[in-house]
Amino acid sequence: ETGVTQSPTHLIKTRGQQVTLRCSSQSGHNTVSWYQQALGQGPQFIFQYYREEENGRGNFPPRFSGLQFPNYSSELNVNALELDDSALYLCASSFGTFYEQYFGPGTRLTVT
Amino acid sequence: EDKVVQSPLSLVVHEGDTVTLNCSYEVTNFRSLLWYKQEKKAPTFLFMLTSSGIEKKSGRLSSILDKKELFSILNITATQTGDSAIYLCAVPGNQFYFGTGTSLTVIP
Repeated sequence: ETGVTQSPTHLIKTRGQQVTLRCSSQSGHNTVSWYQQALGQGPQFIFQYYREEENGRGNFPPRFSGLQFPNYSSELNVNALELDDSALYLCASSFGTFYEQYFGPGTRLTVT
Repeated sequence: EDKVVQSPLSLVVHEGDTVTLNCSYEVTNFRSLLWYKQEKKAPTFLFMLTSSGIEKKSGRLSSILDKKELFSILNITATQTGDSAIYLCAVPGNQFYFGTGTSLTVIP
């Protein structure tokens, strides 16, 4: 069974740029959720994709967007990067929505 | 406003001690409560609780849910240095709500 993978591991971007983060879900899982985790905080829900459709969104602006592909892998896109977007971005997959989720290792994004 | 609150925020204990971590929640459309352990990056799944009063156990870790009083506790007995981590509580509602976590440090 393949676990959740994310790429890249680390990324440094400049304010105003755009970034794409990638996630491959665990084998057999059809749901992917994305989270932003700032230092010292719990993960904050960005959005969830279930069978290629957005299925819930947290309090994040529209410049955070996503996509899920037919193989259930997913992308998180962030436009017009701001300094406060610096965080660990976690992807989690599950079979079905809001059940036990399994997390990837995360992408550490630094915006300068 | 839906929320999940964990306490204490941090805890330092000696090896062999027993600890109790708390998670209280106010979440619309409650489905379940989940506990995760986060050591460096990815949180790893510990327990999912859906029914009140039924203890889930895995080795030295155990957890129980009280749906009437809206809280859960995670107990760790005979703590070891490898238990040092951040313990996160999460509740799926209209979205997935996480608490801030409890940072546990176990000193040899």
